[in-house]
Amino acid sequence: SQQGEEDPQALSIQEGENATMNCSYKTSINNLQWYRQNSGRGLVHLILIRSNEREKHSGRLRVTLDTSKKSSSLLITASRAADTASYFCATSDTGANSKLTFGKGITLSVRP
Amino acid sequence: NAGVTQTPKFQVLKTGQSMTLQCAQDMNHEYMSWYRQDPGMGLRLIHYSVGAGITDQGEVPNGYNVSRSTTEDFPLRLLSAAPSQTSVYFCASRATYRVASPLHFGNGTRLTVT
Repeated sequence: SQQGEEDPQALSIQEGENATMNCSYKTSINNLQWYRQNSGRGLVHLILIRSNEREKHSGRLRVTLDTSKKSSSLLITASRAADTASYFCATSDTGANSKLTFGKGITLSVRP
Repeated sequence: NAGVTQTPKFQVLKTGQSMTLQCAQDMNHEYMSWYRQDPGMGLRLIHYSVGAGITDQGEVPNGYNVSRSTTEDFPLRLLSAAPSQTSVYFCASRATYRVASPLHFGNGTRLTVT
């Protein structure tokens, strides 16, 4: 069953602009991860934020987590054409046999 | 350091045929898993393994078998292919069974069942 749901489904921006992608989920989580997938390739891990963290940075990436709203956002600053990809959020629940559940993804197009 | 290697990259099967999708990792990871990716469905977990000799079912295990005889290899077997199994299959591994460590993905096998 799908846990994370990304929004919007597709996003098109100009190079240099910021891209904001959102993920909402339904049940309590242990952590939330963001992955990137370039066309025809496997997913690549970008960043992980734990349930007791509110914000995390990695290079041009900034992730926030609001557990009261059950939502996360991924901000890519100063976007580049190379950022064109699909982005997925993935959540792990708090159960004993916790598994990672992926959303359906957001397609980001960065126009040069 | 190759990471996660999947073979073949592409495969076409006829309904009823069987085949094995290969997955190997050279990072000494405990945990390995198989996902399928379908348009509009995201990634769904088929089977996973937390170590050699241990496998378990994910969200969509029907029609698939796995085994884990070594740490490095985690093949996925399609017993009798059906058109509904047309998909892109990804193998992924992580260092431990704990979900807080990142998954490393292979580049996928695109399977078409006619």
